[in-house]
Amino acid sequence: NAGVMQNPRHLVRRRGQEARLRCSPMKGHSHVYWYRQLPEEGLKFMVYLQKENIIDESGMPKERFSAEFPKEGPSILRIQQVVRGDSAAYFCASSEGAGTEAFFGQGTRLTVV
Amino acid sequence: EDQVTQSPEALRLQEGESSSLNCSYTVSGLRGLFWYRQDPGKGPEFLFTLYSAGEEKEKERLKATLTKKESFLHITAPKPEDSATYLCAVQGPGTYKYIFGTGTRLKVLA
Repeated sequence: NAGVMQNPRHLVRRRGQEARLRCSPMKGHSHVYWYRQLPEEGLKFMVYLQKENIIDESGMPKERFSAEFPKEGPSILRIQQVVRGDSAAYFCASSEGAGTEAFFGQGTRLTVV
Repeated sequence: EDQVTQSPEALRLQEGESSSLNCSYTVSGLRGLFWYRQDPGKGPEFLFTLYSAGEEKEKERLKATLTKKESFLHITAPKPEDSATYLCAVQGPGTYKYIFGTGTRLKVLA
């Protein structure tokens, strides 16, 4: 049973470009979470999705950021018109249900130049 | 607002020197408390889930305990390979997000 798969592992974008981060949850998991981590800082919640639904996006910036988890395929975190401040590690996690442990992927490290 | 505070921020131990890491939380009605280990450049690795006060979980040299206000991660006779950042997270009722503390950076010296 493969773990949570994220790709790409590293992504370099110029200011103003779009970044698309992909996350395939563990088999049998229908709950997906996205977190952002800056160096020497904790994990900050961004968004929680179930298949085809955004349940909680209270941690997502109101502009330029969006997330989806379609019926088929991976969850996508999309950042439009990236700025240097978007440089961070973005982690995806999945869980079998609410209140159960979440398993994390290896992250995508976004660098904006 | 739900909060998680971990202490100490950093800890250096000699190999074999047992110690405990603390995770204090303020959440009205805990749904679950979770411990993770994170190595540099990697994603957090799940260790334990605790659901109710008095509960304990054990795995190799690690033991996690839970009270109504805090959790401890006890490390017995640590080895250099236990060096990592240990993260604590809570999940409260009516919310699905995991709220993380900033972690304890553990360094075990040979």
